[in-house]
Amino acid sequence: KAGVTQTPRYLIKTRGQQVTLSCSPISGHRSVSWYQQTPGQGLQFLFEYFSETQRNKGNFPGRFSGRQFSNSRSEMNVSTLELGDSALYLCASRTSGSSYEQYFGPGTRLTVT
Amino acid sequence: AQSVTQLGSHVSVSEGALVLLRCNYSSSVPPYLFWYVQYPNQGLQLLLKYTTGATLVKGINGFEAEFKKSETSFHLTKPSAHMSDAAEYFCAVTPVHGGSQGNLIFGKGTKLSVKP
Repeated sequence: KAGVTQTPRYLIKTRGQQVTLSCSPISGHRSVSWYQQTPGQGLQFLFEYFSETQRNKGNFPGRFSGRQFSNSRSEMNVSTLELGDSALYLCASRTSGSSYEQYFGPGTRLTVT
Repeated sequence: AQSVTQLGSHVSVSEGALVLLRCNYSSSVPPYLFWYVQYPNQGLQLLLKYTTGATLVKGINGFEAEFKKSETSFHLTKPSAHMSDAAEYFCAVTPVHGGSQGNLIFGKGTKLSVKP
């Protein structure tokens, strides 16, 4: 079974621009969560989507948003990029239900200049 | 609110020595517990998990962890370190109830170095 895939793997953007990152979960997984990883703050939860609905949201400003499509693929969008948004963005999928195991993709490395 | 504390941001061991990475959690109700490993420029790989049942949990690559409710701990061990174990290790928790199971709360991570 193919793992979680994320595109693109690397991205360089300028302050003020917006960016969209994509995540394809493992086949059959219906829940997708997004995390931001930085050296200073570590791994922080952004949001979770299940069946195209946002279930949970972390403590991030409204510039961070996401969505999930009917095939469970998910995108996250960051508008008006700031230098502090430079990070590794990881998505993880799980089957939902009684499963609590999350399987992570390789991440998208976003650099904001 | 739940939190996770990993003692020691860097741990160095010799090849063949015991690996011990410490993790303590703070929660009014025991959560589900996980250890993940991250190699450079890669995502996170699940090493092992504790949900219910036996408190000593065995994972991949020879790692194991023991859930101790009285000590609110979930330390990760491996009897004999291998060079390939050099990586960053993260302890994480998720609540058992409340609908927030998709939200993993991570510790700050411990970088493990293995000396030849």
